Amino acid sequence: EIVLTQSPATLSLSPGERATLSCRASQSVSGFLAWYQQRPGQAPRLLIYDASNRATGIPARFSGGGSGTDFTLTISSLEPEDFAIYYCQQRNNWPWTFGQGTKVEIK
Amino acid sequence: EVQLVESGGGLVQPGGSLRLSCAASGFTFSSYTMNWVRQAPGKGLEWVSYISGSSNTKYYTDSVKGRFTISRDNAKNSLYLQMNSLRDEDTAVYYCARWAPWGFVDYWGQGALVTVSS
Repeated sequence: EIVLTQSPATLSLSPGERATLSCRASQSVSGFLAWYQQRPGQAPRLLIYDASNRATGIPARFSGGGSGTDFTLTISSLEPEDFAIYYCQQRNNWPWTFGQGTKVEIK
Repeated sequence: EVQLVESGGGLVQPGGSLRLSCAASGFTFSSYTMNWVRQAPGKGLEWVSYISGSSNTKYYTDSVKGRFTISRDNAKNSLYLQMNSLRDEDTAVYYCARWAPWGFVDYWGQGALVTVSS
């Protein structure tokens, strides 16, 4: 099973600041990595798929990069609604797995 | 508009059974691979099971193999998860999730809470 390790566990930032989240895979997942956002009490929402493609309706302030084992999600300027938990997920090998999440909280 | 609505959650004793359903609308259900993903209270996400549009391919995570069965009825636009021999650690919100053709989940249901407790 591929283990995805996200860092940091918590990111404390102010609105308008830049957020950089990391996801590292225990073995290569090629480019088959996605990022999801989950707000309290809600289902996850797809942000980025195949490492760098924004999903439909996702604002341009969200961007993804990386390949192989190291990936990043960048939020260029945090809006109030962006404070949430973010998960990475791979689909290179079954079982599909998620990282443990990074919480982006208001500083 | 794509909608996924889960039902069938509830409280069940350890060793008991429960069947979750997911009613899909707003898209051609038979054309899409579907999934169940769960989230224990205050925890992260875990993939449970996967079924192709034709039901020819099914996958299960190791912890539920032999206990859970995924199925679908394309005529009824419905996805199911039969859960037997339930354990405390199966307590979670179970999400029905659509697999986009280009990979990854593009739509999620609101979730159904399953609580396994005596």
